[in-house]
Amino acid sequence: DSGVTQTPKHLITATGQRVTLRCSPRSGDLSVYWYQQSLDQGLQFLIQYYNGEERAKGNILERFSAQQFPDLHSELNLSSLELGDSALYFCASSPRPVTDTQYFGPGTRLTVL
Amino acid sequence: AQSVTQLGSHVSVSEGALVLLRCNYSSSVPPYLFWYVQYPNQGLQLLLKYTSAATLVKGINGFEAEFKKSETSFHLTKPSAHMSDAAEYFCAVSTQGAQKLVFGQGTRLTINP
Repeated sequence: DSGVTQTPKHLITATGQRVTLRCSPRSGDLSVYWYQQSLDQGLQFLIQYYNGEERAKGNILERFSAQQFPDLHSELNLSSLELGDSALYFCASSPRPVTDTQYFGPGTRLTVL
Repeated sequence: AQSVTQLGSHVSVSEGALVLLRCNYSSSVPPYLFWYVQYPNQGLQLLLKYTSAATLVKGINGFEAEFKKSETSFHLTKPSAHMSDAAEYFCAVSTQGAQKLVFGQGTRLTINP
């Protein structure tokens, strides 16, 4: 158990819908990262927040957005969902904003029908 | 930009045999290198990491990896495979000051009894 929690574990929804994935980092970690794991793209970095501020952006679609709240939990919002958005979404956390070991949550499996 | 290539998407070994999973990286600056393991339906767990200290890195579960700058490699080894080692293994690269991990495509390790 890494100490990073993600909810829900599974999510099934329809195309065009909007969903919110939630992540609670390890106690004391200020940095949160979001990754997408799909069969065709592999594991890809989406976005990072550090202490409430966006720190780095990767291959995140405009339909996706994220935020980190004052209690340091983070939410990833996915809208206008397409079949290709079906994937495992991982959250990771680390104490500092750069080059630290990232501890991964169990992931949320999103299925878009 | 950094990149990682894992040679062999599937590796199969017998129980008790040597495990060798190959990882080559590309980085224009000194890299930080990681191996993560993903068991079925679980998140990623850190096996070991190299951050410019000793080139031979020992990790959990009897795994180790050696950083070879001249070969730009960071191969993962374990002297004797156990059935519980069956999982997917990911090599990842980062750099000092970087915010994200760049992952390879993963290697699925199968252990034959």
